[in-house]
Amino acid sequence: GAVVSQHPSRVICKSGTSVKIECRSLDFQATTMFWYRQFPKQSLMLMATSNEGSKATYEQGVEKDKFLINHASLTLSTLTVTSAHPEDSSFYICSARDPALSGAEAFFGQGTRLTVV
Amino acid sequence: DQQVKQNSPSLSVQEGRISILNCDYTNSMFDYFLWYKKYPAEGPTFLISISSIKDKNEDGRFTVFLNKSAKHLSLHIVPSQPGDSAVYFCAASDRGSRLTFGEGTQLTVNP
Repeated sequence: GAVVSQHPSRVICKSGTSVKIECRSLDFQATTMFWYRQFPKQSLMLMATSNEGSKATYEQGVEKDKFLINHASLTLSTLTVTSAHPEDSSFYICSARDPALSGAEAFFGQGTRLTVV
Repeated sequence: DQQVKQNSPSLSVQEGRISILNCDYTNSMFDYFLWYKKYPAEGPTFLISISSIKDKNEDGRFTVFLNKSAKHLSLHIVPSQPGDSAVYFCAASDRGSRLTFGEGTQLTVNP
């Protein structure tokens, strides 16, 4: 299947700082990428849909000013957690769909474990 | 409003037996369903999918069944292997847009 690479895999930052997470589609171009968040023992919650060349679409309850999304190219989307606080500690996962595939399969990155201290 | 539900948080089966993971959905607009496998601290891995125009899709040891009238799908793994132990998420898509995930089921296959 298609490959999606996410970096870093884990990051620890101080409260009040910002953290950037990158999501790359390695062997296909993705006009749309998705950012999820997963709390322990819970499902993946969609945070936002990242659209290449336009503004991201945020889910209800997700602060767009706190979770900045940039999708400047067809292979890269970034999520920046601004002014991080301990409650932002979570597992963040990106995914992308290969438009060449007829189905709705989305391929996921490895995830980023963010710990805010 | 939980549109995709996996009512069993955990399932334990013996190696070699069949594992059956269930998923229910409420949104009749969903037209594509997928199963993902996830290990701790890793992203989900795509396993198998099914279009709403079909009622069965098989890929090796994995078979997904879809009952549209009941809004229910299931994943069968046979024979189950210890390496299948993971959290399994079902997901549904509406016209190829974003995925809605269930809560996941922890499958444990005992040797």
